[in-house]
Amino acid sequence: GAGVSQSPSNKVTEKGKDVELRCDPISGHTALYWYRQSLGQGLEFLIYFQGNSAPDKSGLPSDRFSAERTGGSVSTLTIQRTQQEDSAVYLCASSLALTGLGTQYFGPGTRLLVL
Amino acid sequence: SQQGEEDPQALSIQEGENATMNCSYKTSINNLQWYRQNSGRGLVHLILIRSNEREKHSGRLRVTLDTSKKSSSLLITASRAADTASYFCATGANSKLTFGKGITLSVRP
Repeated sequence: GAGVSQSPSNKVTEKGKDVELRCDPISGHTALYWYRQSLGQGLEFLIYFQGNSAPDKSGLPSDRFSAERTGGSVSTLTIQRTQQEDSAVYLCASSLALTGLGTQYFGPGTRLLVL
Repeated sequence: SQQGEEDPQALSIQEGENATMNCSYKTSINNLQWYRQNSGRGLVHLILIRSNEREKHSGRLRVTLDTSKKSSSLLITASRAADTASYFCATGANSKLTFGKGITLSVRP
């Protein structure tokens, strides 16, 4: 079946504009994660959705960042009033595991550049 | 911090040689996973080892886990140029996976 997909692949925006990044998880996966990866760095956890439970937002770096997951499937990560330091690759992953500890399947990422 | 730390940060070897990468962590874990990333895009899961396991194999990959030393190693045998990538360990604890900063492996043809 299809893997995790993300759109757009690349996004260039001007400082101060809002952006929306989309993630389509693998069908049937109850868990969905967003990470941020700056150039040459590891993955920074942003937010975790598990089924109908309240999301774990502990990794969101500021209140300019928000995410929602509609119908337990597609998720959108929104960054308001973008700053240059928001430039990074944003990765989405989904998982079947209910514990948050299982194998994660990653999308190809969205490369965001804020000018 | 629960974050795993990989060692070395970068590794360059000749095709055919074995590559050994290490990961250390600080607190108790449920499992430890290794992932590979090509060209800064999505990560691909390689192998998962549970806290009650000591060694696991998958093809040319061998993973060991020493919970007393809080460390794991990933061995890639008979490396190929296609193994060139970044490798990340991820520690599973408290309902969350935490990724390290990764190791850059270069395999020279």
